[in-house]
Amino acid sequence: EAGVAQSPRYKIIEKRQSVAFWCNPISGHATLYWYQQILGQGPKLLIQFQNNGVVDDSQLPKDRFSAERLKGVDSTLKIQPAKLEDSAVYLCASSAEDSHNEQFFGPGTRLTVL
Amino acid sequence: SQKIEQNSEALNIQEGKTATLTCNYTNYSPAYLQWYRQDPGRGPVFLLLIRENEKEKRKERLKVTFDTTLKQSLFHITASQPADSATYLCALETGGGNKLTFGTGTQLKVEL
Repeated sequence: EAGVAQSPRYKIIEKRQSVAFWCNPISGHATLYWYQQILGQGPKLLIQFQNNGVVDDSQLPKDRFSAERLKGVDSTLKIQPAKLEDSAVYLCASSAEDSHNEQFFGPGTRLTVL
Repeated sequence: SQKIEQNSEALNIQEGKTATLTCNYTNYSPAYLQWYRQDPGRGPVFLLLIRENEKEKRKERLKVTFDTTLKQSLFHITASQPADSATYLCALETGGGNKLTFGTGTQLKVEL
């Protein structure tokens, strides 16, 4: 079975620019997650979708970050405008409908903000 | 405040020995806890899940314990191999719908 796909793999932008990341979860997985992982730290949940509805976005900096999952399948995460502290790896994960299930992670997008 | 703590310093062990990694937490009451492995440049990969009513779980060379009184999980790799070298993350269930909060991870290095 195909894994979680993410693109791009790497992105370098200047501060105040905008950037978007794309994620395609494993087919049939209802839940999709976006995480931010700063170097040397564990992944931090930004937003969690169940189908196309938001379950949790309590740690999403909503003044600059937005995410959508319009048709309940793939998703985009946008940062506008970017700050230096947004430099991190952005990981997308998905899991099946049942709770307690393992999360399957994509390879991540490494963002560098200059 | 809520915290999940893993050994911040890297753990270096010799091949064939048992590696033991610790995950301590405060002010959480997780229904279950998961362990993931992360290699450089890759996303985490699920290893094991243990529920609050389970004391121990095993899978091949891996063993996880979960003590809800001590608020601690231990992750053991027996007969360790250089291929086990990676960062290991513990993750606590902290909300409905399989919401997880991750620790900072412990880097394990298995030397020949």
